[in-house]
Amino acid sequence: DAGITQSPRHKVTETGTPVTLRCHQTENHRYMYWYRQDPGHGLRLIHYSYGVKDTDKGEVSDGYSVSRSKTEDFLLTLESATSSQTSVYFCAISEPARGGRNTEAFFGQGTRLTVV
Amino acid sequence: RKEVEQDPGPFNVPEGATVAFNCTYSNSASQSFFWYRQDCRKEPKLLMSVYSSGNEDGRFTAQLNRASQYISLLIRDSKLSDSATYLCVVKTSYDKVIFGPGTSLSVIP
Repeated sequence: DAGITQSPRHKVTETGTPVTLRCHQTENHRYMYWYRQDPGHGLRLIHYSYGVKDTDKGEVSDGYSVSRSKTEDFLLTLESATSSQTSVYFCAISEPARGGRNTEAFFGQGTRLTVV
Repeated sequence: RKEVEQDPGPFNVPEGATVAFNCTYSNSASQSFFWYRQDCRKEPKLLMSVYSSGNEDGRFTAQLNRASQYISLLIRDSKLSDSATYLCVVKTSYDKVIFGPGTSLSVIP
């Protein structure tokens, strides 16, 4: 299995509190992604990073910020958690697709976040 | 319109049946295509990459039609262990990885 670790694996927090989820990789992959998964919506991209300090928004970025100060770590922050952010969060890593080579994404085991 | 769309499902099929999943994508500049499998409460895992020439892995066959922006997955001789959600995945020209909503498959004894 690809070396991806998400922490924490489970968290319950109160509305209005800040929350940071961490994704750590040991594969030295350039790209890192944060998704949320909710019933009826599948996996939706929140933010992704294409290098250290280089990030871009995904489909559902409102209410979330990210930082990548090292290749191996990608942090997702909910500045002020809301109940609508209760979800399962997945981190993924990938190498760039070049020269017709399909480069798959590998996933962490997910973080279950409950905002009460 | 969503970037990646799939058959809504769910699919309930008997063991031994053949089942086909369809997927369309909107970004014509997309460069890589995959089928992932996700079991309940687990992370998605790669089932197979998809190429224009078509590719087969045992009971699984994937096809890509770039002109129609269409991807398919065929599962032959379904097993109980094939029960899962199947996710169509597209990697764009900027290496964004976009998922379809998934199609649930239940294989029934």
